[in-house]
Amino acid sequence: KNEVEQSPQNLTAQEGEFITINCSYSVGISALHWLQQHPGGGIVSLFMLSSGKKKHGRLIATINIQEKHSSLHITASHPRDSAVYICAVTPLGSARQLTFGSGTQLTVLP
Amino acid sequence: EPEVTQTPSHQVTQMGQEVILRCVPISNHLYFYWYRQILGQKVEFLVSFYNNEISEKSEIFDDQFSVERPDGSNFTLKIRSTKLEDSAMYFCASSGLGEQYFGPGTRLTVT
Repeated sequence: KNEVEQSPQNLTAQEGEFITINCSYSVGISALHWLQQHPGGGIVSLFMLSSGKKKHGRLIATINIQEKHSSLHITASHPRDSAVYICAVTPLGSARQLTFGSGTQLTVLP
Repeated sequence: EPEVTQTPSHQVTQMGQEVILRCVPISNHLYFYWYRQILGQKVEFLVSFYNNEISEKSEIFDDQFSVERPDGSNFTLKIRSTKLEDSAMYFCASSGLGEQYFGPGTRLTVT
């Protein structure tokens, strides 16, 4: 059973394009996280949210708790945004651990 | 900026050997985690640790695995008798009440 589903699995965009990555989850959650995994393997937290919308630079994350859905948007994409973007959730009642989606491989071409 | 560190970055071991992966979490964090990522697969939760005891563990975290916080700074993952299928990247993470901060990972190769 896949508790966290992401789409698309792979995404190629031209520099400057607006990008959207979607995440759906099937369990009750206390928080949803968007993470970035670099080609070398390192994982960086981009956002942690439990409602509404957050913005950091060119990145925007939204969540709809009723629909169990979140989106990550990247405005004015740049080749340095190329990475794997991972959606992860903290299930309700858990000890804060994360359940991960399979990730979206984003490639931004110059 | 404070960061989570992990050593070694790469460990090669023979099947059946014991390995200890080490992590130094961010100093004022209270929650600690181990995750693993088998090559080409998604990241999986292993164990969470709070107040010097395991908070939760996954089905993967069986009797061959153990965690310790032997002093005020280190957080270790021990695998007692490694199997080929333990080959993976192991990530340590720590948090306060908010987002988790991940270490760079230890790539474990079991031959």
